[in-house]
Amino acid sequence: AIRMTQSPSSFSASTGDRVTITCRASQGISSYLAWYQQKPGKAPKLLIYAASTLQSGVPSRFSGSGSGTDFTLTISCLQSEDFATYYCQQYYSYPSYTFGQGTKLEIK
Amino acid sequence: EVQLVESGGGLVQPGGSLRLSCAASGFTFSSYWMSWVRQAPGKGLEWVANIKQDGSEKYYVDSVKGRFTISRDNAKNSLYLQMNSLRAEDTAVYYCARTRRSGRDAFDIWGQGTMVTVSS
Repeated sequence: AIRMTQSPSSFSASTGDRVTITCRASQGISSYLAWYQQKPGKAPKLLIYAASTLQSGVPSRFSGSGSGTDFTLTISCLQSEDFATYYCQQYYSYPSYTFGQGTKLEIK
Repeated sequence: EVQLVESGGGLVQPGGSLRLSCAASGFTFSSYWMSWVRQAPGKGLEWVANIKQDGSEKYYVDSVKGRFTISRDNAKNSLYLQMNSLRAEDTAVYYCARTRRSGRDAFDIWGQGTMVTVSS
């Protein structure tokens, strides 16, 4: 099974900061990668699919990059509503899928 | 409005059964692959099962094979998860999710989740 490893697992940042979260796959997954945002008590929300395509309605301060095994999610200018937990997901191994363990972004 | 609404969660004893439902609205349900994803308390997301548009293909994570069954009724715009031989480790919030375009794609619509607690 393909394992997805996110780093860091958690970190603190301030409003206005530029932050980057990394996701590494245990084998090449081309660009079959998505990023989700989840707030406490809520369902995950799709932010990016195909590694770098912004889902409709998602602010342009979110961006994704990478292919193969190494991927990043960048938030260019943190807003208060961005403090949440972020998950990467690979769908290369369709019809099964795996998620990263999550990265919790907290307010400094 | 595109929406998924889960129901059927609750408290069940180890070894018991539960059937989850997911009602879809606002889109052509029969055109999409659908999945169940779960999240144990304080833990990350785990894909559980998925089903093709016409129900002809079904897939499961190894930990639930032989115990869980995914199904759908396109006439009722509904997705189901029959869970048998439940274990404590099945305790989680269960989400239904729509796959974006094809089976090999991200999950673009999620329900609000339904909590399943397996405990004596």
